[in-house]
Amino acid sequence: GAVVSQHPSRVICKSGTSVKIECRSLDFQATTMFWYRQFPKQSLMLMATSNEGSKATYEQGVEKDKFLINHASLTLSTLTVTSAHPEDSSFYICSASFPGNTEAFFGQGTRLTVV
Amino acid sequence: AQTVTQSQPEMSVQEAETVTLSCTYDTSESNYYLFWYKQPPSRQMILVIRQEAYKQQNATENRFSVNFQKAAKSFSLKISDSQLGDTAMYFCAFMKHNQGGSEKLVFGKGTKLTVNP
Repeated sequence: GAVVSQHPSRVICKSGTSVKIECRSLDFQATTMFWYRQFPKQSLMLMATSNEGSKATYEQGVEKDKFLINHASLTLSTLTVTSAHPEDSSFYICSASFPGNTEAFFGQGTRLTVV
Repeated sequence: AQTVTQSQPEMSVQEAETVTLSCTYDTSESNYYLFWYKQPPSRQMILVIRQEAYKQQNATENRFSVNFQKAAKSFSLKISDSQLGDTAMYFCAFMKHNQGGSEKLVFGKGTKLTVNP
């Protein structure tokens, strides 16, 4: 089966610093990757859609300058939380897919804590 | 825009019994896919079952089956012979069809299922 690896699984950073989360497709070429955010005991909310080689499409209400997404290759997308604040603390999950495929392959998620 | 509604925030079932989780959705799309995902305490999202809207036959995967009512826009999940390992959050999700690309998933709020010994 298709494998998506997300790193790190947990990260603690100081308020005001930036943190990068990586999402890699290990055995397929992911033309599209999705980034979700999940607050405790809540559902997954889509933050943005990234297509390889083009700018990410952000959902309404998501700050583009705060959540920088780069999808520079067919196997790697990164989410950078810039100038992180405690309210950015959350669980971030990526999923990857390719054209014509109806199954989303999820990473393990990253628990971000901003102190 | 599509919406997915799960009206049961929490449910519990005794081990070996059957439980049904409800899901309704709203869309103007004619071709789409519906999913049930399981999220155990590890928080890894696991695909449980998938249904293509153009297929009338309900999908089944071992102990998991769905009751897909397209006209009613209903998509319930039945878990038979419940096991302790089924304890998890269950999310119903919608994906519209895209011939040449990949589409996002729209999730319901989830149902927390507890299987009791």
